[in-house]
Amino acid sequence: EPEVTQTPSHQVTQMGQEVILRCVPISNHLYFYWYRQILGQKVEFLVSFYNNEISEKSEIFDDQFSVERPDGSNFTLKIRSTKLEDSAMYFCASRAELAATGELFFGEGSRLTVL
Amino acid sequence: EDQVTQSPEALRLQEGESSSLNCSYTVSGLRGLFWYRQDPGKGPEFLFTLYSAGEEKEKERLKATLTKKESFLHITAPKPEDSATYLCAVRGITGGGNKLTFGTGTQLKVEL
Repeated sequence: EPEVTQTPSHQVTQMGQEVILRCVPISNHLYFYWYRQILGQKVEFLVSFYNNEISEKSEIFDDQFSVERPDGSNFTLKIRSTKLEDSAMYFCASRAELAATGELFFGEGSRLTVL
Repeated sequence: EDQVTQSPEALRLQEGESSSLNCSYTVSGLRGLFWYRQDPGKGPEFLFTLYSAGEEKEKERLKATLTKKESFLHITAPKPEDSATYLCAVRGITGGGNKLTFGTGTQLKVEL
């Protein structure tokens, strides 16, 4: 069964450092997303991406965040200068073109710990 | 702002003991209500999409229903493997219509 894969599974970094989280969406999917979940809290939308551009972003997704699809298979989330409050599980998700907008396939997540 | 409230926060059932999970929502122009299952340390797994009041969807021991203000996830004769956190999410018309707003989930534990 096709799946969304994310790396790394866990990253520990110092405050102020740059972090890149990587995702390989399902191969024939065209819509890509990043969500995050702070421990014990709700899953929160960060950004959606389609046709090589951001289609929507949340208030959380400020100038410290960026996304990129550097090639035909990877989708990355970069945090330029991490803060303590960026500590969370980050989920990548993708969706097929003909699927409903909420029918997402999520990866297993990348846990980011900022010290 | 779209909001989703789920209850109860946690639910413990005996195997075979049926129950329902509740999802109350407020949304500007509902474009879909979605149920997901999340196992510990994993990403959410899509279960159902509901679009309009009166709609129902079923999958094995799960049935999801929708009214204008809430959705229910009915679990019939649950088994231990149904233990997970069940998340409800809505999509509205605010913003670009791409985001899902999730609730905090109901943590279900089914015991033998």
